[in-house]
Amino acid sequence: DTEVTQTPKHLVMGMTNKKSLKCEQHMGHRAMYWYKQKAKKPPELMFVYSYEKLSINESVPSRFSPECPNSSLLNLHLHALQPEDSALYLCASSRSGQGETGELFFGEGSRLTVL
Amino acid sequence: AQRVTQPEKLLSVFKGAPVELKCNYSYSGSPELFWYVQYSRQRLQLLLRHISRESIKGFTADLNKGETSFHLKKPFAQEEDSAMYYCALMWNYGGSQGNLIFGKGTKLSVKP
Repeated sequence: DTEVTQTPKHLVMGMTNKKSLKCEQHMGHRAMYWYKQKAKKPPELMFVYSYEKLSINESVPSRFSPECPNSSLLNLHLHALQPEDSALYLCASSRSGQGETGELFFGEGSRLTVL
Repeated sequence: AQRVTQPEKLLSVFKGAPVELKCNYSYSGSPELFWYVQYSRQRLQLLLRHISRESIKGFTADLNKGETSFHLKKPFAQEEDSAMYYCALMWNYGGSQGNLIFGKGTKLSVKP
């Protein structure tokens, strides 16, 4: 399996709802990422997990809460979002290691609409 | 500060014409540069990386540290090359897993 799978593909939620986005990979990658992509803009990094530990948090508001239960799974918990948080949320994974750089494998994304 | 600049939002060429997508970067360290591509209704995927110095789908990109550029080139464009192309820079926090920064992207349209 050489894919990153994201669910759900589409999500509509109200500002008071609590929901989660899920991401899964079975390539043995040890780094996983959340990116946010607004329409006609490049992806912007939100979080990086390396060996199941949060290594980068790009000053993301606390209404976004990442979780990495194990090396294959990455969640993004959403609570009290704002309409401006509506975007495509992309998950990615890569091989990880000290000083290693490499290819990121992206999922198809979860398109979030906040009403 | 780390930055990737793609000056062209849209590049339109005819089939068979040469194509060059420009990318300039700003980074104080030793850069790792990539080109990612997103075809219509497909996921973002790696096209090529500068360290491998390979040609993928006829595309090449050379890192020019003097000009801080990493332009993507193809001598004869094909219609199936039409896509959004992102130049990306990987930079590391003290040697640990790094952050991939994307340029704003260039939409390539190859006309028949």
